[in-house]
Amino acid sequence: QVQLQESGPGLVRPSETLSLTCSVSGVSVQAFYYNWVRQSADKGLEWIGRIDSSETIRYNPSLKSRITLSLDMSKNQVSLSLNYVTAADTAVYYCVRDWGSLAPLDIWGQGLLVTVSS
Amino acid sequence: DVQMTQSPSTLSAFVGGRVIITCRASQNINNYLAWYQQKPGKAPKLLIHKTSFLKSGVPSRFSGSGSGTEFTLAISSLQPDDFATYYCQQYNIYPLTFGGGTKVEMK
Repeated sequence: QVQLQESGPGLVRPSETLSLTCSVSGVSVQAFYYNWVRQSADKGLEWIGRIDSSETIRYNPSLKSRITLSLDMSKNQVSLSLNYVTAADTAVYYCVRDWGSLAPLDIWGQGLLVTVSS
Repeated sequence: DVQMTQSPSTLSAFVGGRVIITCRASQNINNYLAWYQQKPGKAPKLLIHKTSFLKSGVPSRFSGSGSGTEFTLAISSLQPDDFATYYCQQYNIYPLTFGGGTKVEMK
């Protein structure tokens, strides 16, 4: 059974970098594609970006200048870094799998609430 | 970006009733439309993809239809477990975008 589990700090200070990890179990991280999606009361569900095992990356243009996505095959993990955070980046962050080109988001992690506050 | 507009934002229905949720895309998305169900404190779950294909294990009381820019999610014979928030999402063009959600409440 495929499972995704987000981890990272629940509180980040303004202007600092938010760093999250998604641990993938039940399948090799090389076999599929991984997205980050966040959800806030203000903006609803917002797609952040996508990475695959060839390290082809897609970004949301609204966040592209602040995002780094990476994949660690040895640890079976995917990571997200978002720098220069503000209160507007407070959200639940989800790691989500898709199965390929033109595919829906079929398996979601449980989500991690990240609050940006001093 | 493709704008996804859902309506209504909230609806009330009885157990056993039928509901229809509409999703409109700002441009043709070639039927690459998915529906998700979300319950409070939980992640969204995929129900339907490519407009009308039910994910394995999803009850047949859920159905999706539409084409081009207009899509619907129908739930026939609402069950207590169906009261939740539903989102549409297009995956035809990056960035992927979602509708604002429709909360289905018990009447």
